[in-house]
Order: sequence, then C-alpha cells, then structure tokens
Amino acid sequence: GAGVSQSPRYKVAKRGQDVALRCDPISGHVSLFWYQQALGQGPEFLTYFQNEAQLDKSGLPSDRFFAERPEGSVSTLKIQRTQQEDSAVYLCASSSWGPIGYGYTFGSGTRLTVV
Amino acid sequence: RKEVEQDPGPFNVPEGATVAFNCTYSNSASQSFFWYRQDCRKEPKLLMSVYSSGNEDGRFTAQLNRASQYISLLIRDSKLSDSATYLCVVTVRNRDDKIIFGKGTRLHILP
Repeated sequence: GAGVSQSPRYKVAKRGQDVALRCDPISGHVSLFWYQQALGQGPEFLTYFQNEAQLDKSGLPSDRFFAERPEGSVSTLKIQRTQQEDSAVYLCASSSWGPIGYGYTFGSGTRLTVV
Repeated sequence: RKEVEQDPGPFNVPEGATVAFNCTYSNSASQSFFWYRQDCRKEPKLLMSVYSSGNEDGRFTAQLNRASQYISLLIRDSKLSDSATYLCVVTVRNRDDKIIFGKGTRLHILP
C-alpha cells in the first residue's frame, strides 16, 4: 500500500480483556517496528522484525505482550489481560533499512484505552 | 540520567521569530541522529537527519556537537504551521542498533 496502515484506529478494552492490534507495512519493507507512546511522552521501543524474524523484543514491558509477523508482511501486537497502564498509542513503523532511524514511515497508530 | 533528554517546553514563539532547542544524549556510542516532527494526534514524521558538519533544509538547521553530546534544531522565520512537537532521535550502536526517541519539545507559534 501507499503507507503503513494500522487497525483499529481506536480500541477501548475492559481491564483483563485481550486485544490484538494490526499493522500492514509498506509493501516490500523488510523492517517493522512497534512503539508505545503514552500521553506526553516520546515513542518507546517495543519490538523489531526483519522479515518474519523478531530480532529484538527487549522493549516489550511484560510477558502479556506478544508480537508476530508470520509471513514477513502484516504484523500483530497482542496484549493479554490488559491493564490500565497499557493505555497508550501503539505506533507501527516500517522501513527498507534496519533500525537506523532513517526511512521510517509510521502508521497513524492505534489508541488503546483500558477502562 | 535518561539516554535522550529534551526540554518539554512549550516554547511559545511569535510568528517570524527564530527559535532553537537542544537535545542531549548520554551514550557516547550513539551513531546517528535525527529530528522527527509530530503533530497533535498524528504519527511522527522524519524532519531531517543531523550530521557533524551541520545540515540545513530551508528554514531549518540541525547541528551535532559530539564533544558535548547534544544536537540542536534552529527554525528561522517561524510559521504557524511549524507548531508541533519535535522529537530528537538517536541510534545507539551498542544496543543492537536500537533507536531511542526523546520525549519531545512542544513548539507553539503565535500569530
């Protein structure tokens, strides 16, 4: 596609509910990144894929967070048993390069609110 | 000390003025530096890369000072459309090429 597409745009979850956030990167982009952005903060790194391989998941805050990219294109970020502190905007970015900061295209994000 | 620090602002600047803000980084292994712009409720977008020799793009000038470990962004003849949050981004090589975002500096251009 022309850009990075994320869905849903907004998600309200009850505490304890599982959620799945989808990212459809730019076609041909080998690198895909997930970031979490809390209100008034900068994006915080969660995880990084190169094609289908998850090369870095050191930013995932707990084992309730899980990401996959099984065919090297679309990625899903899953959060199990959501907590209020999970409320944030989840941004996906893709790139033709690795994590060098250049050439990132971000999606519009999914705004998750846990109530 | 946080790895990337920015003054959160807000910087309230009259239209047409020049404004500058800095970003400091703590890791001397930092390799690449960028400024991203983020509009309210929008995704970040790359504004410009930052090189040791300085980088100018129209009204925007970015500088890197490796000795003092900071980067700067200068905006001349500011426009209302420059109102946004400016994110400092640093790539650290000794952490598997991790990219670290600052919290951002909010800029409001006043008419």
